[in-house]
Amino acid sequence: DTAVSQTPKYLVTQMGNDKSIKCEQNLGHDTMYWYKQDSKKFLKIMFSYNNKELIINETVPNRFSPKSPDKAHLNLHINSLELGDSAVYFCASSQDLGYGARKLFFGSGTQLSVL
Amino acid sequence: GDSVTQMEGPVTLSEEAFLTINCTYTATGYPSLFWYVQYPGEGLQLLLKATKADDKGSNKGFEATYRKETTSFHLEKGSVQVSDSAVYFCALSTLQGAQKLVFGQGTRLTINP
Repeated sequence: DTAVSQTPKYLVTQMGNDKSIKCEQNLGHDTMYWYKQDSKKFLKIMFSYNNKELIINETVPNRFSPKSPDKAHLNLHINSLELGDSAVYFCASSQDLGYGARKLFFGSGTQLSVL
Repeated sequence: GDSVTQMEGPVTLSEEAFLTINCTYTATGYPSLFWYVQYPGEGLQLLLKATKADDKGSNKGFEATYRKETTSFHLEKGSVQVSDSAVYFCALSTLQGAQKLVFGQGTRLTINP
């Protein structure tokens, strides 16, 4: 069973379109995330939700809107796609290790290409 | 703000060579430190961690020691294998920002047979 699954794996679309990426985790975790990985492999957090509540929003353009219908799902909707949105988007969920540490479990990524 | 700096890649080694990937950090308070690994076409997975100074994290022959005095968490392995080829990320989290993992820029490692 895949712990964190996201769909689609590849997404190719035209500039200006609206698209969604879905994420589900079956680990029972309370916290989920979206990370963006650029072409140089740099990984940056976009959003974090805890029990369906937004707790981190890292100055992401408001064209990006996360939605968490329940704590096992965190979807990402992107409006008016731009060329610079091309990247790999990773969903993750986390387990509390104590000491302020969390272990993240990542999905396999969605490669978004905006043409 | 909190940040992590890793050595520039890519790193290319021969099988059975000794590996070191440097990682230094800047953080308020006392962070927990992690190494994640990303194999081709996959998401990141936790390789090892250390939550306080002088702790040593280890897994699959990899080791890293939390050095508070040098604010470092260098990754080492005594004898690398072709299957270790991947991108390695150093990361930190703090009590204040426990929900957020801050990653370094990643170091691509290629091991040749």
